[in-house]
Amino acid sequence: LAKTTQPISMDSYEGQEVNITCSHNNIATNDYITWYQQFPSQGPRFIIQGYKTKVTNEVASLFIPADRKSSTLSLPRVSLSDTAVYYCLVGAPYGNKLVFGAGTILRVKS
Amino acid sequence: DTGVSQDPRHKITKRGQNVTFRCDPISEHNRLYWYRQTLGQGPEFLTYFQNEAQLEKSRLLSDRFSAERPKGSFSTLEIQRTEQGDSAMYLCASSSSYGEQETQYFGPGTRLLVL
Repeated sequence: LAKTTQPISMDSYEGQEVNITCSHNNIATNDYITWYQQFPSQGPRFIIQGYKTKVTNEVASLFIPADRKSSTLSLPRVSLSDTAVYYCLVGAPYGNKLVFGAGTILRVKS
Repeated sequence: DTGVSQDPRHKITKRGQNVTFRCDPISEHNRLYWYRQTLGQGPEFLTYFQNEAQLEKSRLLSDRFSAERPKGSFSTLEIQRTEQGDSAMYLCASSSSYGEQETQYFGPGTRLLVL
């Protein structure tokens, strides 16, 4: 399973755009990239998933360059409620036990 | 609410006691996963089912742990003779294997404290 590297923590202010980058140099051809958000004492919540180029949903955008060795989660206009841990995962699209790293602690300040 | 549910949400027990947790997946999902999460760490995979078949178990799942999914719907995770090191959040996730890709949806977790 591909190992991922992401910043331990990031600070931002309300209303700003936040970009969290994840490195996955050993990503396999059939691996997808998935991001989860987790609040204290809750289960991880699926944010977005992609394979290449750009994926956008109502919550975030995911940018994946052509070599797929990294990806960037973009959260537009964050609010205090976006303070959470964000996990980047890579893995096969099926039957895959998710391998979580330590994640990125995002702190949004007012 | 049609998400994944877990019961109980919190459990405090004494060392040596047995505990059982329940997970109800999203109704149309045929895959069900169990993970364990300790403070400051990401979740770690324990085991997973496709329908009623347990297809993979982590080496984290010692002999004191057993999981079942008897009718391919809800699942139970039992820990026998609990130890203080078992204190953690136990998370359940479900997914469907039908579709272009699989996305796991997590429940709220059961927080276990072993005294």
